Amino acid sequence: SQTIHQWPATLVQPVGSPLSLECTVEGTSNPNLYWYRQAAGRGLQLLFYSVGIGQISSEVPQNLSASRPQDRQFILSSKKLLLSDSGFYLCAWSGSERETQYFGPGTRLLVL
Amino acid sequence: AQSVTQLGSHVSVSEGALVLLRCNYSSSVPPYLFWYVQYPNQGLQLLLKYTSAATLVKGINGFEAEFKKSETSFHLTKPSAHMSDAAEYFCAVSRRALTFGSGTRLQVQP
Repeated sequence: SQTIHQWPATLVQPVGSPLSLECTVEGTSNPNLYWYRQAAGRGLQLLFYSVGIGQISSEVPQNLSASRPQDRQFILSSKKLLLSDSGFYLCAWSGSERETQYFGPGTRLLVL
Repeated sequence: AQSVTQLGSHVSVSEGALVLLRCNYSSSVPPYLFWYVQYPNQGLQLLLKYTSAATLVKGINGFEAEFKKSETSFHLTKPSAHMSDAAEYFCAVSRRALTFGSGTRLQVQP
């Protein structure tokens, strides 16, 4: 069966520091991968999605970037964190566009 | 463009009462629609999905939703609420990725 992992589970970082969040999927090949952010009291916002290695689409211009160095690995990064980057970051995968997305457990990021 | 509107950011029901969470969608193509549930500090779990087959979709935990094209709605229902149903519920429409509604927090009173 397929599983999706995210780490770390929780992260507290100072403003201006770099960020790297990792997401990996097991049990499937060539998945579509997604990064969402959920700010406190708000819905989910799509940040990036990827249909293959090295293929990244950005939905919202911001302080973040994403990379997909391997088929089942998706990384969310920032060079300098802002206070507004705080939130709950969720990674998801699907077999193809429009299919069900399956979510990881999330990473809670607090920028101080 | 596709979008989803969830009416009511908070819904409170008594245990055993009917649960009704409202979702209206806008889509330029026949939509794929989803309901997800999120428990505190967890990821999202799929409750059910509509992909243009039967208009009444049954999901997990006794939930179901009915697709009504004429009303552009996909409301989520459960005949009898349990305490364990307390969570946040998200409706979503699918294009390349999911476009989510703002969520509805369900409280279940004993």
